[in-house]
Amino acid sequence: GAVVSQHPSRVICKSGTSVKIECRSLDFQATTMFWYRQFPKQSLMLMATSNEGSKATYEQGVEKDKFLINHASLTLSTLTVTSAHPEDSSFYICSARGARGSGVTDTQYFGPGTRLTVL
Amino acid sequence: DAKTTQPNSMESNEEEPVHLPCNHSTISGTDYIHWYRQLPSQGPEYVIHGLTSNVNNRMASLAIAEDRKSSTLILHRATLRDAAVYYCIRRRGATNKLIFGTGTLLAVQP
Repeated sequence: GAVVSQHPSRVICKSGTSVKIECRSLDFQATTMFWYRQFPKQSLMLMATSNEGSKATYEQGVEKDKFLINHASLTLSTLTVTSAHPEDSSFYICSARGARGSGVTDTQYFGPGTRLTVL
Repeated sequence: DAKTTQPNSMESNEEEPVHLPCNHSTISGTDYIHWYRQLPSQGPEYVIHGLTSNVNNRMASLAIAEDRKSSTLILHRATLRDAAVYYCIRRRGATNKLIFGTGTLLAVQP
């Protein structure tokens, strides 16, 4: 149980394009999803917290207009990197915390990550 | 500051126990201690978490000091597949945010 998927696993795009990454909780409902970014040989950095049906809360220094987050259902959150540039190239990872009654409320379960390369 | 302090790296031999330490001297009463591990190019994998009492599950044991200022993750018999970066994290009860530190890179020798 407690499986989180991400799609795509890897994406290469040209500078200036927008890229959407999906995060799904496959076997539980998630009221809260989190988005992280990880650069090579560094730790995970929390970008934003996404609650179903409401606006995401962004960490300090993260541009909300650059990284659009939508959490439209209890099993799906999306991160759109708008007008991507080479410096946005990174490993993007989502996590999900279960809704009350789901049995997975005490911790976060992570997706496998999406490797974004902007040329 | 919600970060924890861990050694940068540790080594272990296969089939021997491993004790991974973590200091969280400024922990508050409602902060949980979580451990995750991460393999290269993969998302973190949940290992264990606790609040005050020691915890055991099929993957590991978590020993929490009585004053809660430190904890130790115990892998009872290390295998080659346990080689990973292990993160000790304080989770704020109110926000549920996980703030990752630098973690401990565990190498397991055959």
